[in-house]
Amino acid sequence: GESVGLHLPTLSVQEGDNSIINCAYSNSASDYFIWYKQESGKGPQFIIDIRSNMDKRQGQRVTVLLNKTVKHLSLQIAATQPGDSAVYFCAENLVTSFQKLVFGTGTRLLVSP
Amino acid sequence: EAQVTQNPRYLITVTGKKLTVTCSQNMNHEYMSWYRQDPGLGLRQIYYSMNVEVTDKGDVPEGYKVSRKEKRNFPLILESPSPNQTSLYFCASSLDRRGLSQETQYFGPGTRLLVL
Repeated sequence: GESVGLHLPTLSVQEGDNSIINCAYSNSASDYFIWYKQESGKGPQFIIDIRSNMDKRQGQRVTVLLNKTVKHLSLQIAATQPGDSAVYFCAENLVTSFQKLVFGTGTRLLVSP
Repeated sequence: EAQVTQNPRYLITVTGKKLTVTCSQNMNHEYMSWYRQDPGLGLRQIYYSMNVEVTDKGDVPEGYKVSRKEKRNFPLILESPSPNQTSLYFCASSLDRRGLSQETQYFGPGTRLLVL
C-alpha cells in the first residue's frame, strides 16, 4: 500500500557523533521527498528535500540520500548537537491523479552531551 | 514575520460540545490544510483548501468540517466532538498543493485537544 515508515523509533547518540535516520517508502512512483524536524511543543519544520532524479542532496550539516532501487531514504546529520534532539519524519509525494504528501510516523533523536 | 497561527493551543472539552480551532496565515498562501498527529500514525490530512471557497476531504475527514471564506483563515470545526478526536492538530499553508519549495511549507504550532 501507500505508506511511509521509519526503521527506528528512537535513536540515541553522543554529541559530536554523526546521526543517520532511515525511512522506507512503498510507492515507487513517488517523485519528491521531504525531511521534517519536530521539536517538543512545536510544529514540523522543513529540513531538506530531494527529488527522485537525485541520489543525494546536502544542506548545512544535513545530507539526504535516496535509494530508489530499494525505496529507501535517509537523513544524515553531521556533528550532532543537543539542539538536534527532536522527532524527525519523512514525507513522500504520491504521484497519482491527486498528488499529496504522505508522512511517516517519526524517529526520536536523543543527543547526549 | 511569516507565520501560521492557531488558537487555542490547548483545549479540554466534553463529548458533543461544538468547538472551532482557528488557523490564520499572513503569507497570502493559496493552499491550506489541517492534519492530526497521533502516536504511531504520523500526520494524517483531515481537510485541505486550494483557495477561497474551495475545500476538499483529506484522509480522515469524518467528524470534521472546514470553511475558507477568506484567504488567510481556515478554521477547523468539530460539530460534535468525540473522544477519538483527542489528538494534536496542525494547520499548514503553502503556495502550492505539495509545498514543493522550501520557502512555501509552513506549519502552525499545533493545538492539543482532549475530548472527555
